[in-house]
Amino acid sequence: QSALTQEASVSGTVGQTVTLSCSGNGNNIGSYPVGWYQQISHGAPKTVMFGSSQPSGIPDRFSASKSGTTASLTISGLQPEDEADYYCSTWDSSLSGQVFGGGTKLTLL
Amino acid sequence: QVHLVESGGGVVQPGRSLRLSCAASGFTFSNYGMHWVRQAPGKGLEWVAVVFYDGRRKYYGDSVKGRFTLSRDNSKNTLYLQMNSLRVEDTAFYYCARGSVYDETQYYSDYWGQGTLVAVSS
Repeated sequence: QSALTQEASVSGTVGQTVTLSCSGNGNNIGSYPVGWYQQISHGAPKTVMFGSSQPSGIPDRFSASKSGTTASLTISGLQPEDEADYYCSTWDSSLSGQVFGGGTKLTLL
Repeated sequence: QVHLVESGGGVVQPGRSLRLSCAASGFTFSNYGMHWVRQAPGKGLEWVAVVFYDGRRKYYGDSVKGRFTLSRDNSKNTLYLQMNSLRVEDTAFYYCARGSVYDETQYYSDYWGQGTLVAVSS
């Protein structure tokens, strides 16, 4: 069981806006920024957001926010290439380690 | 640009050892924390361990604590993961990933290698 909770699956259509969530507690999301990762067809993960920052080359259709112990990744104007698994991560002070969510499978209808 | 290349994976029997390496280039390796993250077949990402920029602080996930040892050689821009007492459940793709600079909290990774497969089987 993952320390962070994500939806198992989310679906959307091209052009739509979707929001993926990541829930934790005061020892992790409540205390630290969150990273978001995209993994296509079980290839190497790619970072799409960390905190409120975006790695170079990531479209600005991706944005992230946090409220209390829940973080969110919003993808605006969905594109076919956005179909992937998405994971969140952060530090957990009670575990003294990084923790991941179980991942959300984003499917384009 | 940032480039991370893992090596050392393979098939190993339960109870045996294996050492993974991660060669880094394209950035000042000695300024960054470095992580290992693994993914078992058909499963999600699992954080394994992190070493801070100077090698002095290391943290491990509960599933590998006491069996795996993380080290780094900043003169060679290389990260290592010594895996002892391997178990079937350690079978996974192992990714090295760049973390935060200096003493910043290691809450994320921004660049990832392509991974190396470790298969533990009798």
